[in-house]
Amino acid sequence: EPEVTQTPSHQVTQMGQEVILRCVPISNHLYFYWYRQILGQKVEFLVSFYNNEISEKSEIFDDQFSVERPDGSNFTLKIRSTKLEDSAMYFCASSALDEQFFGPGTRLTVL
Amino acid sequence: AQSVTQPDIHITVSEGASLELRCNYSYGATPYLFWYVQSPGQGLQLLLKYFSGDTLVQGIKGFEAEFKRSQSSFNLRKPSVHWSDAAEYFCAVGAWDNNDMRFGAGTRLTVKP
Repeated sequence: EPEVTQTPSHQVTQMGQEVILRCVPISNHLYFYWYRQILGQKVEFLVSFYNNEISEKSEIFDDQFSVERPDGSNFTLKIRSTKLEDSAMYFCASSALDEQFFGPGTRLTVL
Repeated sequence: AQSVTQPDIHITVSEGASLELRCNYSYGATPYLFWYVQSPGQGLQLLLKYFSGDTLVQGIKGFEAEFKRSQSSFNLRKPSVHWSDAAEYFCAVGAWDNNDMRFGAGTRLTVKP
């Protein structure tokens, strides 16, 4: 069964460093998403991406964040200069039409 | 803007007992409603979804949910809980184009033997 994959599973970084979280969506999906879940809190929408551009973004998704689909398979989330409060679980999701399929997440720890 | 409220942060039930997890939503148009389950250290797995039609929807693992427009609710139910159902459950509401899906804060389910 096709699934969304994410790498790495855990990323530790120093405050101020750039990180890139990687996702491989399901191959025939056209819509891609990033969500964040701070420990013990709700899952929060960050951004959606379709046809090589951002279609929607939340207030969390500020200038420190960017997304890219560098090739036909990967979908990345870049945080330019990480802050302590960026520590969270980051989930990638993809969809063809209605149902979003989620990856297992990347745990980002900012020290 | 859409929002989701899950009033119960933590629920404990005995194995074999029935379960109902509450979800209330706020949305200006016809909502697309979802229930996801998250086991510790895992991603989100879709249990069921409602777009239109029959207001009682069946999902995986024996779960069902009922959409009640008059109450703006989409409660999740299971007639007999198994120990493996212990997890975090999230209700979510989205638009037709599936952008900007909003999640509730989640309900943690503990199952007593």
